[in-house]
Amino acid sequence: QVQLKESGPGLVQPSQTLSLTCTVSGFSLTSNSVHWVRQPPGKGLEWVGAIWSGGSTDYNSALKSRLSISRDTSKSQVFLKMNSLQTEDTAIYFCTRGLYWGQGVMVTVSS
Amino acid sequence: DIQMTQSPPSLSASLGDKVTITCQASQNINKYIAWYQQKPGKAPRQLIRYTSTLVSGTPSRFSGSGSGRDYSFSISNVESEDIASYYCLQYDNLPYTFGAGTKLELK
Repeated sequence: QVQLKESGPGLVQPSQTLSLTCTVSGFSLTSNSVHWVRQPPGKGLEWVGAIWSGGSTDYNSALKSRLSISRDTSKSQVFLKMNSLQTEDTAIYFCTRGLYWGQGVMVTVSS
Repeated sequence: DIQMTQSPPSLSASLGDKVTITCQASQNINKYIAWYQQKPGKAPRQLIRYTSTLVSGTPSRFSGSGSGRDYSFSISNVESEDIASYYCLQYDNLPYTFGAGTKLELK
């Protein structure tokens, strides 16, 4: 069955780079897009970006200067890298295929 | 970027009530709107896509409608398991954008 699972550090220092991995199973990355969505504590959902089946990417306008999404199709993994992290980037980060979602990973930006 | 104005921010309903949430897009989104339910501590769950198509497993008491810039999402006969937050998402134009959410509470 379709599954997505996020992994990464729970704590990142301000100004550092966040690296998250979404490991998927039950479907092919070359046939499906994967999106990242984040949710600050107690707040709403924010679309972060996506990598499409062909490998191209699109990003949230406010984040695109700091954001990179890539993948390794042989490992069924999608990667999110965001640099220059600030406290406002503290959030649960989800990877999703629209209908299917990972459980999310909480990322706290703090010194 | 397309702005999605979702209202109301919160809603109080009794069991069995019908409730409606609206999302207005800043431009025509050609019916490319999805609705999500999120319970505390859980990932969102997609309920409806393309304005009114119920995702497999979505109870028939949920419905969606709209066109152009204006869309609505309704729950008829609210049940206790429907207490959650609801979000609209436009996926007509990149970047995709969510509404701010509606928190449904029991009266």
